[in-house]
Amino acid sequence: SHELTQPPSVSVSPGQTAKITCSGDVLTKQYAYWYQQKPGQAPILVMFKDTERPSGIPERFSGSTSGTTVTLTISGVQADDDADYFCQASAPGGSYVFGTGTKVNVL
Amino acid sequence: EVQLVESGGGLVKPGDSLRLSCAAFGFTFSPYGMNWVRQAPGKGLEWVSTIGPSSGYIFYADSVKGRFTISRDNAKNVVYLEMQTLRVEDTAVYYCTREAEGMDVWGQGTMVTVS
Repeated sequence: SHELTQPPSVSVSPGQTAKITCSGDVLTKQYAYWYQQKPGQAPILVMFKDTERPSGIPERFSGSTSGTTVTLTISGVQADDDADYFCQASAPGGSYVFGTGTKVNVL
Repeated sequence: EVQLVESGGGLVKPGDSLRLSCAAFGFTFSPYGMNWVRQAPGKGLEWVSTIGPSSGYIFYADSVKGRFTISRDNAKNVVYLEMQTLRVEDTAVYYCTREAEGMDVWGQGTMVTVS
């Protein structure tokens, strides 16, 4: 099966930079997408096609890619960024796969 | 306002059936592919199924293939998920999502509990 692996958690102080990685073989052929989910809420799209930011998403969110790993970077972390983050990509056969999820703890 | 509203969730017994609906508002529904994504309590996101704009393509996760059926009615701006032979492990919040450069619109979700 196709898997996307993320670190379970990342802790960061306000104003610092958080980097969330997502690794998987499919990422060499497919774009990655990132979603933010706060407790009790539906996810929202914060990054598409590896590095593109949807309208309304703050500029402090950025994306990068290298080989089998994509990274979501949050620069100048704010308390409001405390949330779960999931990567997602297309997989063969028309399916989609989500990453294991990363909890960003803003200290 | 662009919005997706799911309905139809509830508490059922193993082996029962349930049909979820997702109504779309605030955008032209027919050109978009639509997905169902679920999230078990305290767990991550799991893609369930995708349907193309004119139902021209349909895909299912292996975990639901043969038990779930996705469909849509473009005249009513609704996408459905018919779930049969439900299992305890199907317990989750089910989200409907719009497909456009990623899943750019999500509904609020509807809870399905199989117990």
